[in-house]
Amino acid sequence: GAGVSQSPSNKVTEKGKDVELRCDPISGHTALYWYRQSLGQGLEFLIYFQGNSAPDKSGLPSDRFSAERTGGSVSTLTIQRTQQEDSAVYLCASGQGFNSPLHFGNGTRLTVT
Amino acid sequence: RKEVEQDPGPFNVPEGATVAFNCTYSNSASQSFFWYRQDCRKEPKLLMSVYSSGNEDGRFTAQLNRASQYISLLIRDSKLSDSATYLCVVRGSGGYQKVTFGIGTKLQVIP
Repeated sequence: GAGVSQSPSNKVTEKGKDVELRCDPISGHTALYWYRQSLGQGLEFLIYFQGNSAPDKSGLPSDRFSAERTGGSVSTLTIQRTQQEDSAVYLCASGQGFNSPLHFGNGTRLTVT
Repeated sequence: RKEVEQDPGPFNVPEGATVAFNCTYSNSASQSFFWYRQDCRKEPKLLMSVYSSGNEDGRFTAQLNRASQYISLLIRDSKLSDSATYLCVVRGSGGYQKVTFGIGTKLQVIP
C-alpha cells in the first residue's frame, strides 16, 4: 500500500523566504511526527500530532516554525523567514497507534542559500 | 541525561563477525522499543521491534532489559550490506506517546 508521502523532495530557497513542506501520512495513522536531520547528525524532534489532541510543539526551534494537521491527515510544516541554519532534511513519519512503530517518508531536503 | 543514549561509533568489523550495540533510555515508563536502520542520505527504516522476552529475526537479535533500562541489538555473521547507522527508538507511555530517537550507531562491515 501507499507509504508516507512528502513533497517537495527537494527545495532550494533564498534566505528570508517562507517555505511549506507537506506530509501525507499513511491512511488511518493517527500519529504524525516531524523531525529534521542535518548532515551527519541524528534526528531532531520537531512536533508531534496524535489524533485530535493538542500537538506537542516542544521541539520547534523557534517561532519561525509552525505546523498544522488538517482533518487528522495531511500535515504542513511552515518555516518563515528561512535562515541558512534551517538547511536540513525534514522527515515526516506516521504511526498507527500506541506501541506501533513509525513509518517515514523520503524526506524533503531543504537548502537555504 | 539524554532521553536515549547510544555510542555513535563507528564500529568497524570484518565480514562474518558478530557485533552488538546497546542503547540506554532514561524514562522508566517507556512503553515500546524499536531498532531502525538508516542508510546514508536515506530515511530511517524499521529493522525490528523489541519485545520484553527478546526476539530474533534471522541474524538479528534484540533484547530489552527494563531493570537496567537498556536495549540491545546483536548482529551475527555480519554482511557488507549491514553497513549502516542503527537507531535506537523509544516510545513513551499512556497519553504521551512521543517517540525519541537515539543519535545512532554507525556500523561499517569491511571485507
